[in-house]
Amino acid sequence: EIVLTQSPGTLSLSPGERATLSCRASQTVSSSFLAWYQQKRGQAPRLLIYGASSRATGIPDRFSGSGSGTDFTLTISRLEPEDFAVYYCQQYGNSPRTFGQGTKVEVK
Amino acid sequence: QVQLVESGGGVVQPGRSLRLSCAASGFTFSSYVMHWVRQAPGKGLEWVTVISYDGSNEYYADSVKGRFTISRDNSKNTLYLQLNSLRVEDTAVYYCARGDGAFDVWGQGTMVTVSS
Repeated sequence: EIVLTQSPGTLSLSPGERATLSCRASQTVSSSFLAWYQQKRGQAPRLLIYGASSRATGIPDRFSGSGSGTDFTLTISRLEPEDFAVYYCQQYGNSPRTFGQGTKVEVK
Repeated sequence: QVQLVESGGGVVQPGRSLRLSCAASGFTFSSYVMHWVRQAPGKGLEWVTVISYDGSNEYYADSVKGRFTISRDNSKNTLYLQLNSLRVEDTAVYYCARGDGAFDVWGQGTMVTVSS
């Protein structure tokens, strides 16, 4: 099983600032099959990024993903008020499909 | 529009059973791999199980193997999860999700509480 470790656990930032979230895998993620999801309180997760760097339909271009192998990054270039949420990475190249433990982006 | 709607959650005693349903609409259900993902209160996401397009293949997380069964009825555009021998630690919101690759469509979730 591939274990995904996200850091930091919590990111305290102000609107307009840049957010950089990390996801490290315990082994190589096949073909960059790495996704990022956003989850707001009381809501289902929403797909942001797939294939490590491709934005899902309707996702603003302030969200970008990068990385390969075992190290991946989600960047939010300028935080909007609606971006404060929990973010999860997931690998879907190996079974079982595993999630990271999440990074909470909170208002500073 | 593309939608998944779960139902069937509730409060159940340890050792009992429950069946969850996930009704799909707005897309060709039989063309997609489907998953169940759960989230315990205040915790992160845990992938539970997956079923192939035609229901011929299933895979389970070790935590539920032998107790949970995923199935689908493509004629009814519905996904199911049979939960047997429930434990307190199975308490969670259960989401169904569409995804041959990444999970691009999610339901709103249904809450299962296992408590005596």
